[in-house]
Amino acid sequence: DAKTTQPPSMDCAEGRAANLPCNHSTISGNEYVYWYRQIHSQGPQYIIHGLKNNETNEMASLIITEDRKSSTLILPHATLRDTAVYYCIVRAVEFGNEKLTFGTGTRLTIIP
Amino acid sequence: DAGVIQSPRHEVTEMGQEVTLRCKPISGHNSLFWYRQTMMRGLELLIYFNNNVPIDDSGMPEDRFSAKMPNASFSTLKIQPSEPRDSAVYFCASRQRGVGRTEAFFGQGTRLTVV
Repeated sequence: DAKTTQPPSMDCAEGRAANLPCNHSTISGNEYVYWYRQIHSQGPQYIIHGLKNNETNEMASLIITEDRKSSTLILPHATLRDTAVYYCIVRAVEFGNEKLTFGTGTRLTIIP
Repeated sequence: DAGVIQSPRHEVTEMGQEVTLRCKPISGHNSLFWYRQTMMRGLELLIYFNNNVPIDDSGMPEDRFSAKMPNASFSTLKIQPSEPRDSAVYFCASRQRGVGRTEAFFGQGTRLTVV
């Protein structure tokens, strides 16, 4: 699976949009971009994933560049409960390749 | 569904003792994962199962660790004998295999302390 690079930490004001970047310059054509987050002391939680089109769900939006070498997770109106470590993971979705490998992630702190 | 259920939530044991961690995956899920999390090493995949069969155990640190999945609704991770460096939070996750939306659901973890 391709490696990802994320900033170690970010701050965002409550109520503002939080934009979390992720670089995955070695991504392959069959690899998806997944985002998970881990709130303190809890298990990781799925947020969103995409292949090449931008995606949106009730939690967040995922913007993937046209060359797919980077992406941005957007939390449109950040709240204090969004304070967590956010993981960007690239993974080929195919039988026999089930691994979900976590990097160091970005520690997002929402400031009141 | 109650989600992935892990037990116990906390375990304190003495060095040399056997420790067994338990996991009940979400009903209908056919992939199960065991992870370990420490401050130093982050989240590490230890082993995963597909349809109750171990597929990749390359993350298991050494022979003291073993995992089993006797049926689709239960898995154990055993450490024998335990050592202080095994102290960590152990997470179990399950997923429905398939192409497309296949997110993993994690349990609340078991915090293991070996003294």
